[in-house]
Amino acid sequence: GAGVSQTPSNKVTEKGKYVELRCDPISGHTALYWYRQSLGQGPEFLIYFQGTGAADDSGLPNDRFFAVRPEGSVSTLKIQRTERGDSAVYLCASSTQTRNEQFFGPGTRLTVL
Amino acid sequence: AQSVSQHNHHVILSEAASLELGCNYSYGGTVNLFWYVQYPGQHLQLLLKYFSGDPLVKGIKGFEAEFIKSKFSFNLRKPSVQWSDTAEYFCAVNGGGGFKTIFGAGTRLFVKA
Repeated sequence: GAGVSQTPSNKVTEKGKYVELRCDPISGHTALYWYRQSLGQGPEFLIYFQGTGAADDSGLPNDRFFAVRPEGSVSTLKIQRTERGDSAVYLCASSTQTRNEQFFGPGTRLTVL
Repeated sequence: AQSVSQHNHHVILSEAASLELGCNYSYGGTVNLFWYVQYPGQHLQLLLKYFSGDPLVKGIKGFEAEFIKSKFSFNLRKPSVQWSDTAEYFCAVNGGGGFKTIFGAGTRLFVKA
């Protein structure tokens, strides 16, 4: 079956611009996660959704970062006033409600110039 | 604070050598433990997991890991590595019924043919 998909695969933007990154989870997975991975590091937790609501957003670094999942399926990570330090690979994962084995997407590589 | 420490950042082995990658975690309470693998050009994928029960867990491709609660460790082992095991390996932990997952920085394994 189809896995987790993320678009775009690459995004280059200028400092100060707004970006949106999209994640399409595996059908039927109620839990959705966003991570950020910088070079040489492991994935860093950002936010986790259970259904439409953000169950844990403690990893969002500041109020420039926001994520939504309005219908409990597709999620969008939004970054305002991007900074060069936001450059990273943004990963999305999904899992069922009862078993938190996460299935990862290919990631979106964000470059802020 | 919750954390995961992977002892080796880079490991180089010859084919047929034995592998052990160290992982220690800091997390209060009941834990779920994971090893994920990322092969070159591919997504992160689950290698094995521990939720409860037998502390020696077996995963795909001949990998196993042992949960030692007293040492807060979850080391990954394989008796005889193959060239195709060249990849980056990440240890991860989440707690009890929670879904926020903390990853280690990863270990890059290179297996010489």
